[in-house]
Amino acid sequence: DADVTQTPRNRITKTGKRIMLECSQTKGHDRMYWYRQDPGLGLRLIYYSFDVKDINKGEISDGYSVSRQAQAKFSLSLESAIPNQTALYFCATSESGAMNTEAFFGQGTRLTVV
Amino acid sequence: GNSVTQMEGPVTLSEEAFLTINCTYTATGYPSLFWYVQYPGEGLQLLLKATKADDKGSNKGFEATYRKETTSFHLEKGSVQVSDSAVYFCALSEGTGANNLFFGTGTRLTVIP
Repeated sequence: DADVTQTPRNRITKTGKRIMLECSQTKGHDRMYWYRQDPGLGLRLIYYSFDVKDINKGEISDGYSVSRQAQAKFSLSLESAIPNQTALYFCATSESGAMNTEAFFGQGTRLTVV
Repeated sequence: GNSVTQMEGPVTLSEEAFLTINCTYTATGYPSLFWYVQYPGEGLQLLLKATKADDKGSNKGFEATYRKETTSFHLEKGSVQVSDSAVYFCALSEGTGANNLFFGTGTRLTVIP
């Protein structure tokens, strides 16, 4: 089983619908992240959480919200999906406190908003 | 601010060819540098890293040297294989945590037999 698991892997939704992407991890890391990948733009950080009670906005948080339900679970919500939120979404984890720390990524969720 | 610029792809090579993917960076301090690889249908995974000037990161036949004087971290491999076909991302970090990771736009490599 993957260390970082994202569900669903693929989703098509309509404009205006609310959708939740889920992420769970078995690495025991405190820190979790949500990134968005668009062609030609690399990865951009949406939100991150350093522990269950700590949530922070990233570079492109508008239109998104998150919930850290437990150390191992971090979900991303689109309250009212719009077509320009069509992208590949990645969850990631990392150890806390370590410099130059490696990030561990899930397999991604491909979201299409029509 | 921090940014990473890497060569645009796609790059197509024949098996056993030499690979170079260029990466340059801008940083306010002394960053650590990374190459991540994304195989088809998978998430990113760390390929190699270097934490200070003149360090060389290496893994799976790939190498990259942290060049502070040219602010570069070019990825090289002497003989690519079909299994190396993937998207390669250069990234930098100036602190703890992946919230401080800045990624390049990615370079798609296709290796043909």
